[in-house]
Amino acid sequence: QSALTQPASVSGSPGQSITISCTGTSSDVGGYNFVSWYQQHPGKAPKLIIYDVIDRPSGVSNRFSGSKSGITASLTISGLQAEDEADYYCSSYTTRNPLVFGSGTKVTVL
Amino acid sequence: EVQLVETGGGLIQPGGSLRLSCAASGFTVSNYYMSWVRQAPGKGLEWVSVIYTGDRILYADSVKGRFTISRDNSKNMLSLQMNSLRAEDTAVYYCARWGGNHFFDYWGQGTLVTVSS
Repeated sequence: QSALTQPASVSGSPGQSITISCTGTSSDVGGYNFVSWYQQHPGKAPKLIIYDVIDRPSGVSNRFSGSKSGITASLTISGLQAEDEADYYCSSYTTRNPLVFGSGTKVTVL
Repeated sequence: EVQLVETGGGLIQPGGSLRLSCAASGFTVSNYYMSWVRQAPGKGLEWVSVIYTGDRILYADSVKGRFTISRDNSKNMLSLQMNSLRAEDTAVYYCARWGGNHFFDYWGQGTLVTVSS
């Protein structure tokens, strides 16, 4: 099972909005509304920030939002802050395995 | 408060075996799907295995036949027995709880497994 495709890096200035894409196939992202997103700071465990495409766990900033169109899901971070600098991974249910992760995106705050 | 604490990582020679444990608190592991997820140094996340509440078990192709996931309900713990280890199994191994529709709502801090001679 190949990883979902994410851009290797995305950058933005404080206060700006950035969007990270996550492209799969009709067997995963395109076929089900079971896309989640994780934030991972260096040396730390991943943290769930979006689940079921658009839902945010309690305590996660509303600056994080998710969406999906066809086989591509997206994570938007609005009002970018220094603390948002981290790696971000998408994940989706897939018909072949319970789930598959994206390749990961490093977000840099300029 | 939900907590997951992994132990058991270390340096092991190729072909060797290692058993990872994950102690859970704040919830009952038998009521949730539980997984192991790994991350090779500098690489992305890779799902390894899941044990469902009905004890159905699935493995990634990369570990099938070599790794065994299990759950000890009396100790509220999850385990991963890893046999025939290879250099490519070197990674931080995370224990994670499924929160619902194929996502992980809680993760442990991870334990590092290094396979090298």
